[in-house]
Amino acid sequence: RKEVEQDPGPFNVPEGATVAFNCTYSNSASQSFFWYRQDCRKEPKLLMSVYSSGNEDGRFTAQLNRASQYISLLIRDSKLSDSATYLCVVWRQGGKLIFGQGTELSVKP
Amino acid sequence: EPEVTQTPSHQVTQMGQEVILRCVPISNHLYFYWYRQILGQKVEFLVSFYNNEISEKSEIFDDQFSVERPDGSNFTLKIRSTKLEDSAMYFCASTVRTGDYGYTFGSGTRLTVV
Repeated sequence: RKEVEQDPGPFNVPEGATVAFNCTYSNSASQSFFWYRQDCRKEPKLLMSVYSSGNEDGRFTAQLNRASQYISLLIRDSKLSDSATYLCVVWRQGGKLIFGQGTELSVKP
Repeated sequence: EPEVTQTPSHQVTQMGQEVILRCVPISNHLYFYWYRQILGQKVEFLVSFYNNEISEKSEIFDDQFSVERPDGSNFTLKIRSTKLEDSAMYFCASTVRTGDYGYTFGSGTRLTVV
């Protein structure tokens, strides 16, 4: 079983749509959680950390459910510039960042 | 905004040749990493480096790979004898502390082995 699994993509949505990405992780020792964004052939860039209480940054909302080992990212009012691959990433003590395979989002006019 | 700098951006090498990929992490960062991404695949951990030594390495990071921080600013990844399957994007990353603090990635070196 993969340590971090994400929805297979791609997601094709119109501008203004709300889109949700799901992610599960298998190692219960995972302690920190992130969503990264990766544009085509570029480096991953930190979008936001994910906390158990849930957190929001503008149009982006992230949720974490430790009991079910589930992470989500919601993008509201999607823009053309949101088109990218979204990476679910976990970290555990003494370890390193572990990446999911990514979910590609394409926002169309 | 501080950034992680990687050079070269693209390197083409013959199979069996040695390559050195260079990175300049953010100056006050203490933890350094190399990751790679084969085209169409996920980002994979190679090695972490802290306090001038390797703290963890993956099964990919075999005897052909080595890392060095020769002068307190540069962080290098050497591949001794490149194989075709080493063709990938190599990303350097750094962070000031681990845990709930994300890493900053460099823009990557695209290595093509022919």
